[in-house]
Amino acid sequence: AQSVAQPEDQVNVAEGNPLTVKCTYSVSGNPYLFWYVQYPNRGLQFLLKYITGDNLVKGSYGFEAEFNKSQTSFHLKKPSALVSDSALYFCAVRVGNTNAGKSTFGDGTTLTVKP
Amino acid sequence: NAGVTQTPKFRVLKTGQSMTLLCAQDMNHEYMYWYRQDPGMGLRLIHYSVGEGTTAKGEVPDGYNVSRLKKQNFLLGLESAAPSQTSVYFCASSPRTRVHEQYFGPGTRLTVT
Repeated sequence: AQSVAQPEDQVNVAEGNPLTVKCTYSVSGNPYLFWYVQYPNRGLQFLLKYITGDNLVKGSYGFEAEFNKSQTSFHLKKPSALVSDSALYFCAVRVGNTNAGKSTFGDGTTLTVKP
Repeated sequence: NAGVTQTPKFRVLKTGQSMTLLCAQDMNHEYMYWYRQDPGMGLRLIHYSVGEGTTAKGEVPDGYNVSRLKKQNFLLGLESAAPSQTSVYFCASSPRTRVHEQYFGPGTRLTVT
């Protein structure tokens, strides 16, 4: 079985400060890891993914995430937060590029960036 | 290029009524999915399809049926709605070569009274 945990329901940061949204996972096999963002009343938007290669992956809107195999984590980061980054963030995991539909999503973390 | 669209955006049903949610995508994606989103529970997969004419059960399929008669459309049906099916429903699609990159629709907010 595969699972994802986002230990923080809410993250609050001041504009201009660095932000981190945490994600840990559990899978049997090599994980494919993803971050999605959801703005109010909108569907999820793909941010970035880790498949293989460099542990630090860069995505949309200046976000990046670091894959840490020993800690089974894939935390989302941004060096300088913007008020417009305020949204709901989901981490997701799947095993391999097959088994369509087998991604597991976390419960989401609400990020609030204050001016 | 509209991406993934969902119809309707909002709906209120009474217990026992039936309805169909329509999802359409214009990206020629092979895979399509239906999820429900409930507070504190993230996204849960209801059903999915790997191609025209094929469907499969996801994590929470009970009370729902689906059909994929055309590649671009994926229908989600509720035969006898229950209050437990009050939720926001999201459709998504992905290409076969990058199945992990899912593109989501704007959602349908369904309330069952």
